[in-house]
Amino acid sequence: GAGVSQSPRYKVAKRGQDVALRCDPISGHVSLFWYQQALGQGPEFLTYFQNEAQLDKSGLPSDRFFAERPEGSVSTLKIQRTQQEDSAVYLCASSLRTAHSNQPQHFGDGTRLSIL
Amino acid sequence: SQQGEEDPQALSIQEGENATMNCSYKTSINNLQWYRQNSGRGLVHLILIRSNEREKHSGRLRVTLDTSKKSSSLLITASRAADTASYFCATARDVYNQGGKLIFGQGTELSVKP
Repeated sequence: GAGVSQSPRYKVAKRGQDVALRCDPISGHVSLFWYQQALGQGPEFLTYFQNEAQLDKSGLPSDRFFAERPEGSVSTLKIQRTQQEDSAVYLCASSLRTAHSNQPQHFGDGTRLSIL
Repeated sequence: SQQGEEDPQALSIQEGENATMNCSYKTSINNLQWYRQNSGRGLVHLILIRSNEREKHSGRLRVTLDTSKKSSSLLITASRAADTASYFCATARDVYNQGGKLIFGQGTELSVKP
């Protein structure tokens, strides 16, 4: 079906506000990843879900970052009390299977977050 | 922090020429993947090469992997203006409960002039 969909595409927030970023993965994809991409850099891993279970959150920069995938499909990345250094593009990716790593990831177009 | 480095950081060529990008990484891997990113868009998967493979082809793309040197190269033959994009290598390790999370390099910005 359709590819990975992320919303909003652009988000501007004032420092200190909370934001929520949404990801709709490809239907049936078990694995879901969040990455953060600073300008001119490669994406950096934030967190990984297998169905509804968050199995790896080692890349989350601080406890202000929180991600969930309650029903094993749509995922939300929430950032509380935003700081200017949170400004980046947040990319979501999904892949079909679980433990096997030999498969490609399918990326959404990302949410560009700007903190003023 | 990112896994490795890509070289060159930027590459400008004429349409029809070949483009070669190199990637180095630091740890043992299960596979290495190459992705393309057009400006303002997400990443598109190009090719995956497993750690026990040395070379792989897909259309105009040729990827090599040297695990002893922890390096890979991506060759795009007969380049087109539409190949203009950033190219990233990414490595995956077969670690339990990581689902094959990708560790990216910093990317090579390719410009193909018509």
